[in-house]
Amino acid sequence: RKEVEQDPGPFNVPEGATVAFNCTYSNSASQSFFWYRQDCRKEPKLLMSVYSSGNEDGRFTAQLSRASQYISLLIRDSKLSDSATYLCVFMDSSYKLIFGSGTRLLVRP
Amino acid sequence: NAGVTQTPKFQVLKTGQSMTLQCAQDMNHEYMSWYRQDPGMGLRLIHYSVGAGITDQGEVPNGYNVSRSTTEDFPLRLLSAAPSQTSVYFCAVRTGGSSPLHFGNGTRLTVT
Repeated sequence: RKEVEQDPGPFNVPEGATVAFNCTYSNSASQSFFWYRQDCRKEPKLLMSVYSSGNEDGRFTAQLSRASQYISLLIRDSKLSDSATYLCVFMDSSYKLIFGSGTRLLVRP
Repeated sequence: NAGVTQTPKFQVLKTGQSMTLQCAQDMNHEYMSWYRQDPGMGLRLIHYSVGAGITDQGEVPNGYNVSRSTTEDFPLRLLSAAPSQTSVYFCAVRTGGSSPLHFGNGTRLTVT
């Protein structure tokens, strides 16, 4: 089983839609979780950390389920500017970061 | 970019040539690392350093050398370039512990 599994997409949604991505991990000792956003031909940028109780930042909500070993990212009221690739990232107990391959989101007018 | 500067932005090499990718940071981060990103493969760790004078191998270290003589700089050397090293290379830093990574702008390398 891969350490991180992420649906590559693309998710093609209209402006204003709500879209959600999941990402599963195999290492139950994972201790920190993040979502990154990467625009085409650019570097990954931290979107948000994911906390055990779930957290929200504007239109973005992140959730963690340790029991099911997945994290999720929900984007409400999608904007054209949300079009990008979203990477999930886990940190294991030795502080090693494991990256997913990314989910591509296309928001159309 | 959290004060992370990578040079060059683009490079084309012939097989067998050597070169050094530069990474410099001005935020005094102890942890610095190099990743490569290939389509469908995600980011893979090449080498990392937890402080000046300390380096260690990541997931895909073969064909690459690093050194960390200062806190600010963490160069990545390709000893004898191969087409399989065609990739986008990112330098990334973090403050330590469980903090997230912050990436430089990347170097797009093509080996012919």
